[in-house]
Amino acid sequence: EVQLVESGGGLVRPGGSLILSCAASGFTFSGSPMHWVRQASGKGLEWVGRIKSRTDYYATGYAASVKGRFTISRDDSKNTAYLQMIGLKIEDTAIYFCTRQPPGTGTADYWGQGTLVTVSS
Amino acid sequence: QSALTQPASVSGSPGQSITISCTGTSSDVGGYNYVSWYQQHPGKAPKLMIYDVTDRPSGVSSRFSGSKSGNTASLTISGLQAEDEADYYCSSYTSTSTWVFGGGTKLTVL
Repeated sequence: EVQLVESGGGLVRPGGSLILSCAASGFTFSGSPMHWVRQASGKGLEWVGRIKSRTDYYATGYAASVKGRFTISRDDSKNTAYLQMIGLKIEDTAIYFCTRQPPGTGTADYWGQGTLVTVSS
Repeated sequence: QSALTQPASVSGSPGQSITISCTGTSSDVGGYNYVSWYQQHPGKAPKLMIYDVTDRPSGVSSRFSGSKSGNTASLTISGLQAEDEADYYCSSYTSTSTWVFGGGTKLTVL
């Protein structure tokens, strides 16, 4: 059974930093691109970014709203993806989901339950 | 990258069919066959319903179908059931190698 479990969310001050983790199981993690998607309370889904697999040189891509502040990485030996966030803004407050992209598709088939990040003074 | 355009809400009675549209540009929806649709119930994670425009994941009811014409993709739900009431989001791969979501559509089953 595929499972994605996010952790690391919490309350942080504006300008602060946080690292989210996404622990994966039930599939070949090393072969799957991984994405982060966020959702502010009562709002829609917003794509944050992705990291490709080793065969694609772990290439990363980010939404314009987070580029330069957020960094996605992965540790295939630990089946874990990470989202490092610095320079956090109030508007970054959201539930952050990690998702798996099956190789060869343009979709996210499995989602974690999400972790809440609150940026507030 | 601007969000894809979806109607804010749609509604239908049990047994009826509804269609939700998702309009983008030639740089996203119109340029690639990588449109997905997700269903989200309150407080839950999104669930994949349609991928690559028309494909249905194993376990998703055949009442859900997807299509695309030009820069607009569509999700059709036939034989509406009470449990279909949820928010629906489309997404697309883009020419800048990113993804973009629609603003979401709230489906009400009357």
